Amino acid sequence: KQEVTQIPAALSVPEGENLVLNCSFTDSAIYNLQWFRQDPGKGLTSLLLIQSSQREQTSGRLNASLDKSSGRSTLYIAASQPGDSATYLCAVRVPPGGGADGLTFGKGTHLIIQP
Amino acid sequence: DVKVTQSSRYLVKRTGEKVFLECVQDMDHENMFWYRQDPGLGLRLIYFSYDVKMKEKGDIPEGYSVSREKKERFSLILESASTNQTSMYLCATRGSGGYNEQFFGPGTRLTVL
Repeated sequence: KQEVTQIPAALSVPEGENLVLNCSFTDSAIYNLQWFRQDPGKGLTSLLLIQSSQREQTSGRLNASLDKSSGRSTLYIAASQPGDSATYLCAVRVPPGGGADGLTFGKGTHLIIQP
Repeated sequence: DVKVTQSSRYLVKRTGEKVFLECVQDMDHENMFWYRQDPGLGLRLIYFSYDVKMKEKGDIPEGYSVSREKKERFSLILESASTNQTSMYLCATRGSGGYNEQFFGPGTRLTVL
C-alpha cells in the first residue's frame, strides 16, 4: 500500500529565506504528484501538479521536482514571505486499476515564516 | 476557475442523527471525492464517484454512504452519526483523464455530540 511521508513535520524560518520541503513515497508506480497548501480551518489549494513523466514544474516562486525512481519530490519556495505560512501537503495518485482512485496524502509540513 | 462548494462550513449534530453533507461543483467534472481529515491521521478517502449513480469505496467507507444523482452534486451521508465521526470533511473534484488536478472545497467541520 502506498505511503507518503513529509519531512520536516514543522519548519520555522525568517522571511526572505529559500527553503525546501520534502516528500517521499513508497511505491514509485505513480500517475502524478500534487502539492497543496492549506490555511488553518480551510480547504486545500492546489499549487503544482507533476506528471510521472516530468521532472519538475514551476509556478512563480515555487518549484517542485520529482524523482520517481527514488520515490522523492521536493517543493522549493524562493524568497519566503509571511503569507507563505501554511501547511503544505504532498499527495500521489496511483495509476488506474491500482486501487481507489483518490489521492494518498502525506501528513504535511507546517510552515511558519517569521516577519 | 473551478468552484467547489460545500453546504455548510460548520455543523453540530447529536449521536444517532442522520447527517447529509453536500458538495456541488460547477466545472462538469466526472470525478468527485469525499475525504476526512483528522489530526495525526491526515486526509483519508471515504468514497469517490466517477459518474452519475456510480460510486466506489475508498479507504475508510464504514459508517458512510454516498449519493450522486446529478453530475454536479455529490452527497455524503452518515446514517447514524457517532462521536468518532467528528472531523473535517473535504469534497474534491477532478476532470476525466490522467492529467488533471484535484480541486477541493472549503471543508465542513462536523462535530457529533
